[in-house]
Amino acid sequence: EDQVTQSPEALRLQEGESSSLNCSYTVSGLRGLFWYRQDPGKGPEFLFTLYSAGEEKEKERLKATLTKKESFLHITAPKPEDSATYLCAVHSYSKAAGNKLTFGGGTRVLVKP
Amino acid sequence: GAVVSQHPSWVICKSGTSVKIECRSLDFQATTMFWYRQFPKQSLMLMATSNEGSKATYEQGVEKDKFLINHASLTLSTLTVTSAHPEDSSFYICSATGSGYEQYFGPGTRLTVT
Repeated sequence: EDQVTQSPEALRLQEGESSSLNCSYTVSGLRGLFWYRQDPGKGPEFLFTLYSAGEEKEKERLKATLTKKESFLHITAPKPEDSATYLCAVHSYSKAAGNKLTFGGGTRVLVKP
Repeated sequence: GAVVSQHPSWVICKSGTSVKIECRSLDFQATTMFWYRQFPKQSLMLMATSNEGSKATYEQGVEKDKFLINHASLTLSTLTVTSAHPEDSSFYICSATGSGYEQYFGPGTRLTVT
């Protein structure tokens, strides 16, 4: 069974204090790893897709990296508007289940000014 | 691009009634649509996957007679919660994929059953 674990569950940062979020996974038939941002009461917003170990993607203050067992989302010099829950999900495929996204529990990030 | 809408954004209904939630892909054709539910401070739980013109595939533990899913076109899927009860109160979110594997999510529908 596919499993995705995110850590820490919650993260409080001062504005400008860089940090990293972890997403570790076990999955058969990995087709990709996705990062999403979710604000309270809203649907997840797509951030990145990573397909193979060693791949990196960047967007503003966010940078996602991927290894064979985990992914990191680095937040550089965060601002209060970066406060959100960050979700990691792995896309797998099997004949039985078809295409499927399995989500981690998320990391709630709070950036204080 | 890749915008998904949901309607309504929130709904309150009485116990025993049915509620329909619509999910639309606005600027792309969605080959597959997904329905999730999310409880407060928890992650998304997949309920079912639907392909246009086919029966939905439900996750283990999800009652298909209670949560009716219809994917009538490449831009519209509906979730009907039948005979709703207070324990069905939750945040329901749909997502859609086009030609790639990225899922694009709608803004969610908050259902409260009184």
